[in-house]
Amino acid sequence: GQQVMQIPQYQHVQEGEDFTTYCNSSTTLSNIQWYKQRPGGHPVFLIQLVKSGEVKKQKRLTFQFGEAKKNSSLHITATQTTDVGTYFCPFSGGYNKLIFGAGTRLAVHP
Amino acid sequence: GAGVSQSPSNKVTEKGKDVELRCDPISGHTALYWYRQSLGQGLEFLIYFQGNSAPDKSGLPSDRFSAERTGGSVSTLTIQRTQQEDSAVYLCASRLRLAGATNTGELFFGEGSRLTVL
Repeated sequence: GQQVMQIPQYQHVQEGEDFTTYCNSSTTLSNIQWYKQRPGGHPVFLIQLVKSGEVKKQKRLTFQFGEAKKNSSLHITATQTTDVGTYFCPFSGGYNKLIFGAGTRLAVHP
Repeated sequence: GAGVSQSPSNKVTEKGKDVELRCDPISGHTALYWYRQSLGQGLEFLIYFQGNSAPDKSGLPSDRFSAERTGGSVSTLTIQRTQQEDSAVYLCASRLRLAGATNTGELFFGEGSRLTVL
């Protein structure tokens, strides 16, 4: 079945440093979504990418979808303490079923 | 309501007791999901409802777990004979299912029900 690996599992950065998390799929993805979960909170939708090679920006966050639609990345420029949380790229485990996995946990030290 | 509502927000129970967790999705959302999140872990898929179709129960960890969705709206997750390993936050999410579309549209999550089994 389809497998999506998200790396790294954990990243610790100093405030102001950049951060990137990657999702790599064994098969072609129709689209990919990104979510953020703050500590103690619930996941919140960030974005959905659909087109091959698509790049979208939200302030300091840049999302990319690979040309082959098998990988995606989330890059945060100049991290802030408000960026702390776990970032997920859920994948399809079947028709309309979203599998979340462990995500990437980001810690930002001031 | 404006968002996904879950109740209770916190539940402490004794091992062996049954518990019911409720989810009230956003009005008009046809798809409803249940996930479980243990402390410091990712989200574990439990079950998915889509309209009047048979639910996808493939993530339910044992036959002690069951869920239903009445009238295409409110859903109840029932855990029978609770065990300590059932302690977790149970998250419900809903989304619109667009006609002819697969896996599109954002999931809206509730605040979760934190279950503690003593």
